[in-house]
Amino acid sequence: KAGVTQTPRYLIKTRGQQVTLSCSPISGHRSVSWYQQTPGQGLQFLFEYFSETQRNKGNFPGRFSGRQFSNSRSEMNVSTLELGDSALYLCASSRGTRAYNEQFFGPGTRLTVL
Amino acid sequence: AQTVTQSQPEMSVQEAETVTLSCTYDTSESDYYLFWYKQPPSRQMILVIRQEAYKQQNATENRFSVNFQKAAKSFSLKISDSQLGDAAMYFCAYTRNTDKLIFGTGTRLQVFP
Repeated sequence: KAGVTQTPRYLIKTRGQQVTLSCSPISGHRSVSWYQQTPGQGLQFLFEYFSETQRNKGNFPGRFSGRQFSNSRSEMNVSTLELGDSALYLCASSRGTRAYNEQFFGPGTRLTVL
Repeated sequence: AQTVTQSQPEMSVQEAETVTLSCTYDTSESDYYLFWYKQPPSRQMILVIRQEAYKQQNATENRFSVNFQKAAKSFSLKISDSQLGDAAMYFCAYTRNTDKLIFGTGTRLQVFP
């Protein structure tokens, strides 16, 4: 079974631009979560989507948004990029039921904002 | 709000020896899950071991075991017979509903031959 894939793997943008990151979950997984990883703040939860609906949201400004498609693939968008948005963005997929569900992580997209 | 604390930024161990990584957490919930994740350099984060709070028995996965002390809100990871491939960042994580993980700041483990 293919793992979680994220595209692109690396991205360089300048301040003020916007960016879209993509995540394809494991087949059969309906939940996709996004995390931001930085040396200063560590791993922080951004949001979680299940069946095309945002089910949970972390404490990030409105510049960070996401969506999920009917095939469970998810995208996250960051508008008006700031230097502090430079980070590794990880997505994780799971079955999404309320029983225990292991989250499987993708390799991440490393975003550099200049 | 729930928090997870890893007080050891770095640890080192010699090959074949045993090392214990510490984690404490704060929650007012009685049902929750705790995890240890491993993130090797430039590689994907993988689940090492999990513990359900309602289970008193400590989880074990081959060379990895945990010491779960619910009253003390402590969840340490013991790695026995350490191998070079164990070198990585280790993150302790908490979740109430399995959808939103709260991570600690991580412990970098170095393994020396």
